[in-house]
Amino acid sequence: DVKVTQSSRYLVKRTGEKVFLECVQDMDHENMFWYRQDPGLGLRLIYFSYDVKMKEKGDIPEGYSVSREKKERFSLILESASTNQTSMYLCASRGGGETPEAFFGQGTRLTVV
Amino acid sequence: GEDVEQSLFLSVREGDSSVINCTYTDSSSTYLYWYKQEPGAGLQLLTYIFSNMDMKQDQRLTVLLNKKDKHLSLRIADTQTGDSAIYFCAGPSSNTGKLIFGQGTTLQVKP
Repeated sequence: DVKVTQSSRYLVKRTGEKVFLECVQDMDHENMFWYRQDPGLGLRLIYFSYDVKMKEKGDIPEGYSVSREKKERFSLILESASTNQTSMYLCASRGGGETPEAFFGQGTRLTVV
Repeated sequence: GEDVEQSLFLSVREGDSSVINCTYTDSSSTYLYWYKQEPGAGLQLLTYIFSNMDMKQDQRLTVLLNKKDKHLSLRIADTQTGDSAIYFCAGPSSNTGKLIFGQGTTLQVKP
């Protein structure tokens, strides 16, 4: 019954490392999203994609990039991890038309030391 | 700009009904969602309602939508301790398609 899968549940990385967070969905959804969630700040949109190879900046794209080479996979990349990127990262995918359900992955708790 | 607002905290006794409220600004939203988040977990989709509906019921959950007032509510009947969580309402931006979330309402259920 798993719909959206994030590659890691917990990650610990060092400052300056390049970090890849992977997200895969099995619902043939066109829209995919990356959020980060921090206490007191709610969910903030980093990037989203509405089709293969298409991407749009969200509210806080600085320090991040994304890749969508296949419809089912949306990757978030931290080019050079910093301690202020320690957070919970959430991936989501959304259908459209008569079936607009939007599902989230289980989240990746990233700690940058 | 587009915005979604919720009250931050609600406390109820087990067995009572809970009502979580949400207001939104984008009157063109075609549907609105309710999510539940338990500690350390991702967001679980509870239900959604199309903007041409006034009400949707799913077992213990009832969603009411007042488009005139741009007000959405989630009622949980016979609230249980397992319902303790953070509840988010959300809607898609009619301009960009991105999902916009409220700050979340923490529901505390006392035995």
